[in-house]
Amino acid sequence: AAGVIQSPRHLIKEKRETATLKCYPIPRHDTVYWYQQGPGQDPQFLISFYEKMQSDKGSIPDRFSAQQFSDYHSELNMSSLELGDSALYFCASSLSGSVYEQFFGPGTRLTVL
Amino acid sequence: AQSVAQPEDQVNVAEGNPLTVKCTYSVSGNPYLFWYVQYPNRGLQFLLKYITGDNLVKGSYGFEAEFNKSQTSFHLKKPSALVSDSALYFCAVRTMNTGFQKLVFGTGTRLLVSP
Repeated sequence: AAGVIQSPRHLIKEKRETATLKCYPIPRHDTVYWYQQGPGQDPQFLISFYEKMQSDKGSIPDRFSAQQFSDYHSELNMSSLELGDSALYFCASSLSGSVYEQFFGPGTRLTVL
Repeated sequence: AQSVAQPEDQVNVAEGNPLTVKCTYSVSGNPYLFWYVQYPNRGLQFLLKYITGDNLVKGSYGFEAEFNKSQTSFHLKKPSALVSDSALYFCAVRTMNTGFQKLVFGTGTRLLVSP
């Protein structure tokens, strides 16, 4: 079965650089979520999109932005990177509605030097 | 605000013995509860969920969980642990409130199953 695809899997950036993370949801899933997992931490919700519109917003820094495109893939844009942004970034997708489980991608490991 | 608590950072169990990973929740309204497992450098894999109905929920890989409304708990269980079950387990909650589609995770419990 098709799963959530994330690219790149690993990314190394310098401080103050920008990064773009991509997420391709499971076909027919209309909702995409982004989570950030720091070392030894639980995943923290950043932002979500339903039918290409932002549906919920969590602890996402103003330096970050995201969008969902017409083909339902999503991109997380991160600017002015800081050392503390080093983390595992997960994308998840689901059908809309709280009863449906989210399926997570393998994550993008971002390292900021 | 909704939250979940996983009181144990680590659970150790011998292979073949039963295992329990604890989770308690705090929400306003009816909770939707989930368990995920994370292997090193991997994404989170869905194990099972409680939405409504039978309090005992069966999931993947022989895991099950019992929803207890009076104790606000949703403990993960398995009758006979395998070494391959060793991983990080997260309990998560969401509610049916509009906009609350995000998952709120517990801090995770590391399960170590010894041979």
